[in-house]
Amino acid sequence: LAKTTQPVSMDSYEGQEVNITCSHNNIATNDYITWYQQFPSQGPRFIIQGYKTKVTNEVASLFIPADRKSSTLSLPRVSLSDTAVYYCLVGGGSNYQLIWGAGTKLIIKP
Amino acid sequence: GAVVSQHPSRVICKSGTSVKIECRSLDFQATTMFWYRQFPKQSLMLMATSNEGSKATYEQGVEKDKFLINHASLTLSTLTVTSAHPEDSSFYICSAREGDIKGYEQYFGPGTRLTVT
Repeated sequence: LAKTTQPVSMDSYEGQEVNITCSHNNIATNDYITWYQQFPSQGPRFIIQGYKTKVTNEVASLFIPADRKSSTLSLPRVSLSDTAVYYCLVGGGSNYQLIWGAGTKLIIKP
Repeated sequence: GAVVSQHPSRVICKSGTSVKIECRSLDFQATTMFWYRQFPKQSLMLMATSNEGSKATYEQGVEKDKFLINHASLTLSTLTVTSAHPEDSSFYICSAREGDIKGYEQYFGPGTRLTVT
């Protein structure tokens, strides 16, 4: 199963664009890349999922280079409510298991 | 969107008793459900994977006789913590996966805070 590496924490300010990069050097051919957001004492919330190139939805964009060994979650114009832990996961394969890394604690300041 | 509920959201029990946590997919059929445990300021740890109508697959180090998982229908899975001890106090989260959709988006429940006294 692929492992992911992402920064332990990041700070930013309201209104800024935030990019969180995740490395997954051993990603398998059939693995997808998924990002989740988690607030304290809540279950994770799905943000975005991609396989290659760029994916955009109403809350974020996901950039995946051709070699798929890394990915970048982009949050446009963050607000204080975006303060949370963000997890990058790879997987899918045959058992659909998600292996959770340590996540990135994002703190947005006013 | 797909919604997963958990009940109860919070439970306090005495050491030695058993506690059952329910996980329900409200608007979709969950062929696979997952149970996680999360300690304070730590990441989620997968405990087991269950498929409807079959026995759960437990991760290494998770006692299957202590954490009983039943996935009797496509919308309900239960986790029973038997003979609970204070070290079992944790945040338990379930997730559900819908059918054979491409990719593997999982929908998470809100979690259950278990405190064993």
